[in-house]
Parts: sequence; C-alpha cells; structure tokens
Amino acid sequence: AQSVAQPEDQVNVAEGNPLTVKCTYSVSGNPYLFWYVQYPNRGLQFLLKYITGDNLVKGSYGFEAEFNKSQTSFHLKKPSALVSDSALYFCAVGGNTGKLIFGQGTTLQVKP
Amino acid sequence: SAVISQKPSRDICQRGTSLTIQCQVDSQVTMMFWYRQQPGQSLTLIATANQGSEATYESGFVIDKFPISRPNLTFSTLTVSNMSPEDSSIYLCSARAANEQFFGPGTRLTVL
Repeated sequence: AQSVAQPEDQVNVAEGNPLTVKCTYSVSGNPYLFWYVQYPNRGLQFLLKYITGDNLVKGSYGFEAEFNKSQTSFHLKKPSALVSDSALYFCAVGGNTGKLIFGQGTTLQVKP
Repeated sequence: SAVISQKPSRDICQRGTSLTIQCQVDSQVTMMFWYRQQPGQSLTLIATANQGSEATYESGFVIDKFPISRPNLTFSTLTVSNMSPEDSSIYLCSARAANEQFFGPGTRLTVL
C-alpha cells in the first residue's frame, strides 16, 4: 500500500533563510510524487511533481524538491524563504490511477 | 493544464438534508476525483468519478451517502446525503490532465 509521511507539523524559519519541508514515502514500484500548497481559505495549488528524470525538480514560486530513492524522501526546499510562503504544504504520492494519497500537511511559518 | 470550478463555494446546511456540489473542468479529462478535507486535517480521497458508469469508492465511503454523477468528460457532481455535523468539511474536486493533478477551489460545507 502507498503511504506518505510529513514528520513535522510545523516548520519555522526566518525570512531570507533556506527552508526545508520533509516528506517520506512508501510505494511499490516507481512513485509519482507531488507537492501542493494551501493558503487560508483558498484551494490547493500545485507546486511541483516528480515522475521520472532528474532527481532535482524545480517548481513554482522558487521551490524545488529532491527525489532520493535510497532514502525514500522527497523534501521540499527553497533557498530563501519569504513571509508570503507561510502556508500549509502537502506532499502526495500517486500513480497511474491518478489517485493521490496525501501526507498530513506541514504548516510553514516564515517570520520577518 | 485544467481549470476547475466548483459550485457552491460554501454552504451552511441543516442536519438531515442533502447538498449537491457541482464540478466543472474547462477541458476534457479522463479522470476526475472527489476529496474531503475535514477541519484541520489532510485530504482524503472519497471516490473516482467514472464517466458513464458508477463511481469507484474508497474504503469508508459508500454510494448511498456520497452519490456521484459524471455525465461527460468535463462535469461531475457529488451529493452529500442525510448530512450530520460530522460531514462539515471542505469537498474538493480534482482532475488529472497531462500527468498533473489539478484541484478545484473547494466547497466549504458546514452542517448545523
């Protein structure tokens, strides 16, 4: 069975510092991995995905994620955090079926 | 890409009543899904909306409670039947296009 875990409920970082939001997964076969962001009272916005190819995936708003097969991880990163990046971030795993299994979410708090 | 709209955006309903949520995609898509996001929680897949046939429900969700229609490749409805306060959630429509998963803005349902 597929599963995904986000071990941190909340991540706090100062503006201008690098940020990392962690995600680990468990799948049989090759994973389709996604990151989404949810701002208060707004829908889910797609950030980036990994299906195949380069392990470093670049996405929207300056975010990137690194697929690490040996560690079964897909951590979200950004070199320099902005206050406006404060939101709820979800990692998700899927496959050919199109169904997604979401992690529990990590609240990112960027302080000025 | 696919742009997804949902109606209504929010509603407050009395227990025992039913609400139908509409989802419209701006392009034809093969796969459509319905998710639920309970307060403070992650997203959980309710069902896959199959065009021209009965929806495929995930464990814990049944057709009598969440009937789904999908008459064509751009439209689907989800009905929340015989509502109770535990059904208070955000309901999100999703569609898969070009290996990406797009989400609607969600319908925020409050059951009194």
